Amino acid sequence: GQQLNQSPQSMFIQEGEDVSMNCTSSSIFNTWLWYKQDPGEGPVLLIALYKAGELTSNGRLTAQFGITRKDSFLNISASIPSDVGIYFCAGRGLGGSQGNLIFGKGTKLSVKP
Amino acid sequence: EAGVTQFPSHSVIEKGQTVTLRCDPISGHDNLYWYRRVMGKEIKFLLHFVKESKQDESGMPNNRFLAERTGGTYSTLKVQPAELEDSGVYFCASSQDGSYGYTFGSGTRLTVV
Repeated sequence: GQQLNQSPQSMFIQEGEDVSMNCTSSSIFNTWLWYKQDPGEGPVLLIALYKAGELTSNGRLTAQFGITRKDSFLNISASIPSDVGIYFCAGRGLGGSQGNLIFGKGTKLSVKP
Repeated sequence: EAGVTQFPSHSVIEKGQTVTLRCDPISGHDNLYWYRRVMGKEIKFLLHFVKESKQDESGMPNNRFLAERTGGTYSTLKVQPAELEDSGVYFCASSQDGSYGYTFGSGTRLTVV
């Protein structure tokens, strides 16, 4: 089946630094989504991307839908301690039903004050 | 508005026993989804309800898993008999219009020993 390769697996950065993470796939995706999961909570949608090449921002977060439709990245600028958590990319592939999202394995972000 | 509620939050059972997880979606949300994350792996789709009907159950691992949604309100996911590999965090999510603005619950952490 379709898979998403998310990297890096974990990051340990200093407060104020910028962060970048990405997801790649060997097959085309129609939709890319980025979620954040805080400890003990469920994932929360950060950004949704629907068109190849689309670049969308949400505060300090910026995400792009790759032009090949096989990748996406998420950048966080000027990280703060509350950015700590696990970030997941997710997508809906060709032929996938609306509810059937494919997730990456997550990027665990730690921020040192 | 109340969020998506899942219970129990944790469950520890022995191999061969039965466990039932419950999800109460946000009131008025017709779309309800079940996902599962096995330790260190990606979050995987299990199934999607629209009201009381199963829209897509392609992610259900085997016939030991049974999901129901009574009257289009709350949903239950029963695992019978539980196996060690069923351990993980089971997430429920709901949405009103089937868009990707899912609201996830906090999950049920299932441990099979």
